[in-house]
Amino acid sequence: EADIYQTPRYLVIGTGKKITLECSQTMGHDKMYWYQQDPGMELHLIHYSYGVNSTEKGDLSSESTVSRIRTEHFPLTLESARPSHTSQYLCASSEGGWGNQPQHFGDGTRLSIL
Amino acid sequence: RKEVEQDPGPFNVPEGATVAFNCTYSNSASQSFFWYRQDCRKEPKLLMSVYSSGNEDGRFTAQLNRASQYISLLIRDSKLSDSATYLCVVNIGAAGNKLTFGGGTRVLVKP
Repeated sequence: EADIYQTPRYLVIGTGKKITLECSQTMGHDKMYWYQQDPGMELHLIHYSYGVNSTEKGDLSSESTVSRIRTEHFPLTLESARPSHTSQYLCASSEGGWGNQPQHFGDGTRLSIL
Repeated sequence: RKEVEQDPGPFNVPEGATVAFNCTYSNSASQSFFWYRQDCRKEPKLLMSVYSSGNEDGRFTAQLNRASQYISLLIRDSKLSDSATYLCVVNIGAAGNKLTFGGGTRVLVKP
């Protein structure tokens, strides 16, 4: 099982703050992903990365940005949080070919913007 | 039409019964298929990959029907702990360069 860690698990913060959600994996996976999921709703891919210095936007438009400076680390940043950003953010990673390997998820960050 | 579609349920299943549900996908070039399980307010966890010939893992059986473009999951002898949302995951695109999640099928196993 992949070891993938997200911090913080829960974050409640005021509007306008800059937020960085951390995601790290220790499996050496090249591919990493960020999903957004509201309660009882579908997962939506918001960012992904093929490897170091590679970042792409996903299916769902997001005001967040990501970076991939190291293989194991894929942080997501919101420059100015708004209530509409309230959601659960899930990070995942996979090895090998994009479509042929399953993704392993972190525990998620539950974000609430007041 | 969504790329990956699932009946959202819920499927209310008596404990010990068998339940089966499908997931349809739109791209005939899809190559990889998975079933994930997601408990309420938790992250998705890989349940099983789906192979062309069908495969079984304990009480769980997955099937692939390429002609009709759907995969299925069957759960035998349902346990209360099987209550969860089951997510169908398909790679979309001939190059296998994208995984798409279905909306999930909710299963509730009751005593």
